[in-house]
Amino acid sequence: DAGITQSPRHKVTETGTPVTLRCHQTENHRYMYWYRQDPGHGLRLIHYSYGVKDTDKGEVSDGYSVSRSKTEDFLLTLESATSSQTSVYFCAISERVDRETQYFGPGTRLLVL
Amino acid sequence: AQSVTQPDIHITVSEGASLELRCNYSYGATPYLFWYVQSPGQGLQLLLKYFSGDTLVQGIKGFEAEFKRSQSSFNLRNPSVHWCDAAEYFCAVGANSGNTPLVFGKGTRLSVIA
Repeated sequence: DAGITQSPRHKVTETGTPVTLRCHQTENHRYMYWYRQDPGHGLRLIHYSYGVKDTDKGEVSDGYSVSRSKTEDFLLTLESATSSQTSVYFCAISERVDRETQYFGPGTRLLVL
Repeated sequence: AQSVTQPDIHITVSEGASLELRCNYSYGATPYLFWYVQSPGQGLQLLLKYFSGDTLVQGIKGFEAEFKRSQSSFNLRNPSVHWCDAAEYFCAVGANSGNTPLVFGKGTRLSVIA
């Protein structure tokens, strides 16, 4: 299995509070991704990174920011959490953006009350 | 930009029966195609992928998929489903452009009954 960890695995927070989710890889892959998974919507890309300090927006980036200061870490921040951001968040990594397999982390379940 | 459609939200099959999950894509050139499986409470795991060459691709767990350019399809098949195959299945398409991420379908949930 690819070495991808996500922390925390579960989090409950209140509306308006900031939340940071962490993705850590040990594979030295160039690309890292953040997705959210919701019933009826499948996986939707939030942001992705193609190198240290290089990031781009995905389909549902509003309300989220990311940072990648080291190859192995990709942080997702909800600046002011809302109930609509209650979801399961997955991190993924890949060596290339298009033709290479993405490897997924175990997910973080976030509940915003 | 590429897109992918999985027409079936939920499918139920009997254990031992055959299975076909549909995936249709939209892309102007030959795409990269993937099938992933997600067991309950888990992340996604690659089942198989198609880049070029033989249009019938073999994957793990007895699954196979066939790329049909004329139908813009990449359907997933299994000749004999086991109870442990109950999961959510995602089709994904990658563009041959080198700079855009994969696009995932919304998934098909498979239930297996005795």
